Amino acid sequence: DAGVIQSPRHEVTEMGQEVTLRCKPISGHDYLFWYRQTMMRGLELLIYFNNNVPIDDSGMPEDRFSAKMPNASFSTLKIQPSEPRDSAVYFCASSFRGFGASGSYEQYFGPGTRLTVT
Amino acid sequence: AQSVTQLGSHVSVSEGALVLLRCNYSSSVPPYLFWYVQYPNQGLQLLLKYTTGATLVKGINGFEAEFKKSETSFHLTKPSAHMSDAAEYFCAVSEGGTYKYIFGTGTRLKVLA
Repeated sequence: DAGVIQSPRHEVTEMGQEVTLRCKPISGHDYLFWYRQTMMRGLELLIYFNNNVPIDDSGMPEDRFSAKMPNASFSTLKIQPSEPRDSAVYFCASSFRGFGASGSYEQYFGPGTRLTVT
Repeated sequence: AQSVTQLGSHVSVSEGALVLLRCNYSSSVPPYLFWYVQYPNQGLQLLLKYTTGATLVKGINGFEAEFKKSETSFHLTKPSAHMSDAAEYFCAVSEGGTYKYIFGTGTRLKVLA
């Protein structure tokens, strides 16, 4: 398997522009997570989905951020309008619950998208 | 609420020396605990995990960790550091046994020649 795929790997944009980050989870995984990593705040969970449905978006910083998962193999994180303080590395991760009451609980991370907003 | 504390944001060890990275957690329910490693400009990779069963958990690259409920700890160790171990290490707890992780702030390991 190719692992979690994220695109683009690097994004540089000007303040006020719309930014869309993309993620393809590992095939068969039913959980998808979006994280943001900064020096100041470390790793923050923004939102996660189960079976394409958003379960917890309490980490989304404000209304400028939105995330969608239209199908099991694709998710987007959109920032509109972008601001310099949004500069960070954004990670997507996926997980597989498995059958029955227990699952592996392991999260598999993509390589990240480094976003710079000038 | 659950939380994770990693003592020491930076740790330096000599090549061949013992590696000890500390992680303490707070949880009102039996925790699921994880250690991840992040190499420069890469995503996080699972080193090892504790869910149930044996409290001494062995992972990849010679690392292991011991779940100590009485101390609410899950420290990561490796008997002999290698230069390739230089990276940032994150401890995480899954919240209430869910798939939602709470991450620690990370410990950057430096290995000296």
